[in-house]
Amino acid sequence: AQSVAQPEDQVNVAEGNPLTVKCTYSVSGNPYLFWYVQYPNRGLQFLLKYITGDNLVKGSYGFEAEFNKSQTSFHLKKPSALVSDSALYFCAVRDMRGGRDDKIIFGKGTRLHILP
Amino acid sequence: DTGVSQDPRHKITKRGQNVTFRCDPISEHNRLYWYRQTLGQGPEFLTYFQNEAQLEKSRLLSDRFSAERPKGSFSTLEIQRTEQGDSAMYLCASSIRDREEKLFFGSGTQLSVL
Repeated sequence: AQSVAQPEDQVNVAEGNPLTVKCTYSVSGNPYLFWYVQYPNRGLQFLLKYITGDNLVKGSYGFEAEFNKSQTSFHLKKPSALVSDSALYFCAVRDMRGGRDDKIIFGKGTRLHILP
Repeated sequence: DTGVSQDPRHKITKRGQNVTFRCDPISEHNRLYWYRQTLGQGPEFLTYFQNEAQLEKSRLLSDRFSAERPKGSFSTLEIQRTEQGDSAMYLCASSIRDREEKLFFGSGTQLSVL
């Protein structure tokens, strides 16, 4: 069965510094990988996805993520953090092979706190 | 595109009562997911549909939970004999099942079981 792990409950970064939010996954086949963001009192919003192709994918609000097949990771990054990036971030995975793991499941989330 | 709508937004019930939530997905979306989220946690998969077919129900989910999507459009999630541990935000999401599946989430139904 597929799984996704976000090892950090919270990440604190000073404004203007680069940020990384970590995600690792496990699937039987090849993964579809996603990042979603949840701002306070708001619904989940799609940020970016990896399906195939370039290992570095770009998404909304200046975020990008790097797919690393050998390390089964899909870390979220941004070169320069903004206070407005403070939110809850969720990594998600779907097994491209289909079958029982053809559903999208989410990690437990990482709270990103950007310090002014 | 009117988005995914969920009704009601909030539900307060007494332990032991039955509750039903409704989700109206984006009209052309053939996939519909139900998730449960507690404060500060990630969405926990409950079940999902492709058109009217229920593809999977979480093994962690008790028989008190049931979901339907009778005509492949809206969906209902029913919880029978509610327990305090059922208190959570119930999220619905829809998508088109293709290589670029992207979930669109509703605002959720917040359930409080007293």
